[in-house]
This record gives sequence, C-alpha cells and structure tokens, in this order.
Amino acid sequence: GIQVEQSPPDLILQEGANSTLRCNFSDSVNNLQWFHQNPWGQLINLFYIPSGTKQNGRLSATTVATERYSLLYISSSQTTDSGVYFCAVTGGSEKLVFGKGTKLTVNP
Amino acid sequence: KAGVTQTPRYLIKTRGQQVTLSCSPISGHRSVSWYQQTPGQGLQFLFEYFSETQRNKGNFPGRFSGRQFSNSRSEMNVSTLELGDSALYLCASSRLAGGKTGELFFGEGSRLTVL
Repeated sequence: GIQVEQSPPDLILQEGANSTLRCNFSDSVNNLQWFHQNPWGQLINLFYIPSGTKQNGRLSATTVATERYSLLYISSSQTTDSGVYFCAVTGGSEKLVFGKGTKLTVNP
Repeated sequence: KAGVTQTPRYLIKTRGQQVTLSCSPISGHRSVSWYQQTPGQGLQFLFEYFSETQRNKGNFPGRFSGRQFSNSRSEMNVSTLELGDSALYLCASSRLAGGKTGELFFGEGSRLTVL
C-alpha cells in the first residue's frame, strides 16, 4: 500500500520562528490532508490539499502531486502551535493512510 | 453546525470484555470511518461505512466490527478485549465515500483502557 513519510519527526522552535514540515508519499493520491492533533487527541483540520497551494493565516501548504510531496509552512510560530502535525493521504485503495507525524514544540 | 460526536469519551474495561463505541457524523455526511491510534502503531484505518454498507476494511482481526444505521450514526464493537486494544479510537465523517470524499472531519475520540 501507499507509504507516507513525514519529516522531521521532532522540531523545537522559539516563539516567532518559522518552520517547514514535509510529507512524502509513495504513490499518486486522490486526497491529502494536514491535521493538528490537540493535547486532548482531536485531529483538527488544517488543509485539504491534494494539489496546489493554500493559505490560512500564519499557515500555508503546498502539494506537488507529480513529485509526491507536500509541505506545511508555519510562520511566526506561537506556543499554541505546539502539538503533533499529521499528513494523511488516500490512494487507490481508498483507505486513509497517516504518516507518523511531526511533534512540534514551540518555547516562549 | 455540530461536529462529529463520539461517545463515550473515556472508558476502562478488563481483558475478555467487549466494548461498543458510538459516532454521530456531521449532519448530511453519509460516510463514517474509524481509526485506532496507539503509541506504537500510530494512526491506523479500521473501516469505513457509507449508506449502511461497509466499503472498506483495514488489517484488523475479526474481533473488530462495526455498523452504520440509517441516520448515518455508526458504532464499532471490539469483542474479547486484549491489553493491546488500549488506544484512542477516532471517528471521521465526510460527505461522500472513498478516496474522493474531500475533507474528513474527526471527532474528539474515545480513549479505551484495557486492564
């Protein structure tokens, strides 16, 4: 089945710094989403982005489907951005496959 | 509009028991999918239901089952609980089925502890 790799696995930043999270996938996808998992476990939608570029405030995402990767950019990070960020894709099997996540810690 | 609602939020069971978890999707969404999250295995797909039919199933033993009702609410059941079933169980809803559903929306999860 499709493989999803996220990097880096851990990221520690000072408040105000910018960061880029990467998601590589092994096959063509129909669906790609980025999520932020809050401390209580809920997955919060950030972007639905099977291709192209989207922006939402300090966050933006780009997916280059032909090269099988997606990037999540966080600018001017805040302590509330801390948590685990997941990339999830759906390919031919139509099963949502998650990466292992990037754990982001933003220090004040 | 109301989001995805999962109940119960927390529960503790002992080995050998069974458990039923419930998920109410966003109004108008007909697809419900279930996921298991553990520290060791991460987030894994369990199954997806659409219009009361199971459309897809992950690699889990037959002890894990589910169903969907005519109002799109879904339940999943785990029988003969094992310690390794301790996990966060997440439910997601979407408007359509399968890989081209568009955006999925998740509930807050049901945290199961098996003693």
